[in-house]
Amino acid sequence: AQKITQTQPGMFVQEKEAVTLDCTYDTSDPSYGLFWYKQPSSGEMIFLIYQGSYDQQNATEGRYSLNFQKARKSANLVISASQLGDSAMYFCAMREGRASNAGNMLTFGGGTRLMVKP
Amino acid sequence: NAGVTQTPKFRILKIGQSMTLQCTQDMNHNYMYWYRQDPGMGLKLIYYSVGAGITDKGEVPNGYNVSRSTTEDFPLRLELAAPSQTSVYFCASRQQVSGNTIYFGEGSWLTVV
Repeated sequence: AQKITQTQPGMFVQEKEAVTLDCTYDTSDPSYGLFWYKQPSSGEMIFLIYQGSYDQQNATEGRYSLNFQKARKSANLVISASQLGDSAMYFCAMREGRASNAGNMLTFGGGTRLMVKP
Repeated sequence: NAGVTQTPKFRILKIGQSMTLQCTQDMNHNYMYWYRQDPGMGLKLIYYSVGAGITDKGEVPNGYNVSRSTTEDFPLRLELAAPSQTSVYFCASRQQVSGNTIYFGEGSWLTVV
């Protein structure tokens, strides 16, 4: 079974509008972390936001917020006020287990390509 | 701020050749990782290291070797390159204790022909 599922291969959004990128995960470990990364056409992986499984509040970082619904095992990324520079691939990832264990590496979803229309 | 530095950025190899992808980080991170990303896919872990002298296999280690002689450096060696190893390779690192943020290098594009 897929541990991280991103069901939207590609999405369009109008500039200045908000957009939600979906991510569902599967784990039986009570301790885990969820990440979103942005990969522009230049190829680098840019960290956007992190949510721990025990965090009570949804994570926010500027225009990015993570809609964490633990019971549904979903961790959707919300980008508010989209900009042309937001056009990129977006990857959801999960680390099962504690951060203190290096072997608890990231498992990535297949990604969503976001295209912002002017 | 250098962060994680990978070299080379692009390389074309012939089948059967060998090469080493270099990775160095200047953040004194204990944990380092090598991932590969095939076209249109997410990243998969090849090898990782918890500190100098200690390495372990990830999800897709076959055809690769690593070493960690220093905290800073974590080279990835491809022996007998095969077309299936055509991919983009990312080196990454993070802190041991509060390492929720993983820092990636810019990637190395490798083509095996």
